[in-house]
Amino acid sequence: AQSVTQLDSHVSVSEGTPVLLRCNYSSSYSPSLFWYVQHPNKGLQLLLKYTSAATLVKGINGFEAEFKKSETSFHLTKPSAHMSDAAEYFCVVSGASNTGKLIFGQGTTLQVKP
Amino acid sequence: DGGITQSPKYLFRKEGQNVTLSCEQNLNHDAMYWYRQDPGQGLRLIYYSQIVNDFQKGDIAEGYSVSREKKESFPLTVTSAQKNPTAFYLCASSVTPSTDTQYFGPGTRLTVL
Repeated sequence: AQSVTQLDSHVSVSEGTPVLLRCNYSSSYSPSLFWYVQHPNKGLQLLLKYTSAATLVKGINGFEAEFKKSETSFHLTKPSAHMSDAAEYFCVVSGASNTGKLIFGQGTTLQVKP
Repeated sequence: DGGITQSPKYLFRKEGQNVTLSCEQNLNHDAMYWYRQDPGQGLRLIYYSQIVNDFQKGDIAEGYSVSREKKESFPLTVTSAQKNPTAFYLCASSVTPSTDTQYFGPGTRLTVL
């Protein structure tokens, strides 16, 4: 069975400092992995997606994530936080093959201080 | 503009009433999904539809119903049987049933008074 664990429910950084949001996953096959962002009272926006083509995935707004199979991790990073990055971030793993179903982590709230 | 629309943005309901949430997409996607989001939790799948006139229960289908009469529309009815309906509801779609990238609408916040 597939599962995903976001290791921090809340992360606080200062503007201009690096961001690290941690995610571990469990899957019985090679999954697709995603990061989505949600601003307050909004829908989810896709940041990036891993599909085995490359272990380092670049997304929108300067975010990137590295797939590490040996550590079953897919951490999200950004070199320099911006105030507009404050939001909820979800790590997501694909469900059973070819169903289109997704398994969501509990979410990490990113706070960016001026 | 192509995308997914959900209406209304905010919805208030009295206990014992059924209410229907709208989801429309003009992306020509085959598959559509309904999720429920509660504070501090990830999204939980209510129902999904892989093709017109077909749909399957997700993880928390009790107290909800759906229909898929048209490709572009996937309305969700929250019935009076749903014990705790106050939540944020999100609709999503994907190109095909096996395509795992989903695109989300802006959501409807339902409050039961």
